[in-house]
Amino acid sequence: DAGITQSPRHKVTETGTPVTLRCHQTENHRYMYWYRQDPGHGLRLIHYSYGVKDTDKGEVSDGYSVSRSKTEDFLLTLESATSSQTSVYFCAISESPPGRVGSGANVLTFGAGSRLTVL
Amino acid sequence: GDSVTQMEGPVTLSEEAFLTINCTYTATGYPSLFWYVQYPGEGLQLLLKATKADDKGSNKGFEATYRKETTSFHLEKGSVQVSDSAVYFCALSGFNKFYFGSGTKLNVKP
Repeated sequence: DAGITQSPRHKVTETGTPVTLRCHQTENHRYMYWYRQDPGHGLRLIHYSYGVKDTDKGEVSDGYSVSRSKTEDFLLTLESATSSQTSVYFCAISESPPGRVGSGANVLTFGAGSRLTVL
Repeated sequence: GDSVTQMEGPVTLSEEAFLTINCTYTATGYPSLFWYVQYPGEGLQLLLKATKADDKGSNKGFEATYRKETTSFHLEKGSVQVSDSAVYFCALSGFNKFYFGSGTKLNVKP
């Protein structure tokens, strides 16, 4: 989707090295999310952000940190990558938070994904 | 808590066959319901949505009706094409997060 850009799209790294994935949006949406997708586990939420400098943990946040210094950028950092973090990572954005009934502005728009392999 | 359950795949159909992918949900309140589609190597894309009971979402020949009495949001298409081969995810917007089903892979053969 042209409104969300993830980089890098593919990365191979070694165990113990730090890795940062970047999500950049041009939609000016307030809410941003990082998910990982693994066979047998579907999509799992890692961290999310509800505004600049406002972030919170998702269901699988151990080993990950995030930062959001600008509305358009949401960074996911693996401080010391492990093989269990080999996955496809998706960034997503929404105009309003989950649970906001009405116009459907709580629709998630996803990036194309970043495939990370930790050897 | 809130959750989404969808039928396991893969589902294999011949071109022009009728498609149904079942999805049921558990939720408090009045969630919005969604179907997303993921083509190989891509992110999820919104296929259709419904925001209240009895709403019918539709797009590209796909339809799903928000049934509160049966807590279901089944995806249907009258005549599938090879280009519909993808993974389909049912999802709901709950109180404080989005919930996704595990995905159903659809293979359409010529």
